[in-house]
Amino acid sequence: DQQVKQNSPSLSVQEGRISILNCDYTNSMFDYFLWYKKYPAEGPTFLISISSIKDKNEDGRFTVFLNKSAKHLSLHIVPSQPGDSAVYFCAASSSNFGNEKLTFGTGTRLTIIP
Amino acid sequence: GAGVSQSPSNKVTEKGKDVELRCDPISGHTALYWYRQSLGQGLEFLIYFQGNSAPDKSGLPSDRFSAERTGGSVSTLTIQRTQQEDSAVYLCASSSRRAYTGELFFGEGSRLTVL
Repeated sequence: DQQVKQNSPSLSVQEGRISILNCDYTNSMFDYFLWYKKYPAEGPTFLISISSIKDKNEDGRFTVFLNKSAKHLSLHIVPSQPGDSAVYFCAASSSNFGNEKLTFGTGTRLTIIP
Repeated sequence: GAGVSQSPSNKVTEKGKDVELRCDPISGHTALYWYRQSLGQGLEFLIYFQGNSAPDKSGLPSDRFSAERTGGSVSTLTIQRTQQEDSAVYLCASSSRRAYTGELFFGEGSRLTVL
């Protein structure tokens, strides 16, 4: 059963505009949420995270929003740049002692159109 | 090298053969993880090492899969009697912090194709 879902396999956005990537989760035990970025033939790289005690975390052009009641998070990239074209994975985890597992979504391929 | 190194980068094998995938983590990282990504799927957790011990093997799909880590460094993932459904990219990651911090450093992966 898919505990982390990214329902949009792909997204195209004009350069300079805002990119919004969405993610839903089902497991109430998750208390940390992360976004990873992956270029072809490379491993995923960590982008930004948010704790469940917050509803927003910002890092430069990247902002993650968390709506716990809806079990939904989103990644906003503004302004979008050509180098942002990549596959973005949403992931979730529990900070409980002993848990070292990340649960990933299936990814959204973002294409920035120059 | 500075990053996580995996070998081979590509492996094509026949159904029923055994394969070994190797991971060299970042020096000093005590935590090591194996994930796999099948076509159209997200990354699926396989196993976690802390030092040479594997406190969580819950993601290994069957007893054909095993992994070990020696010297707190290099890890090998072994798949016996490979099946076509084992075809995937196998990713290794290492870290010096808890996984929920997100600070996992992934290698480029080993692409396994089982014919």
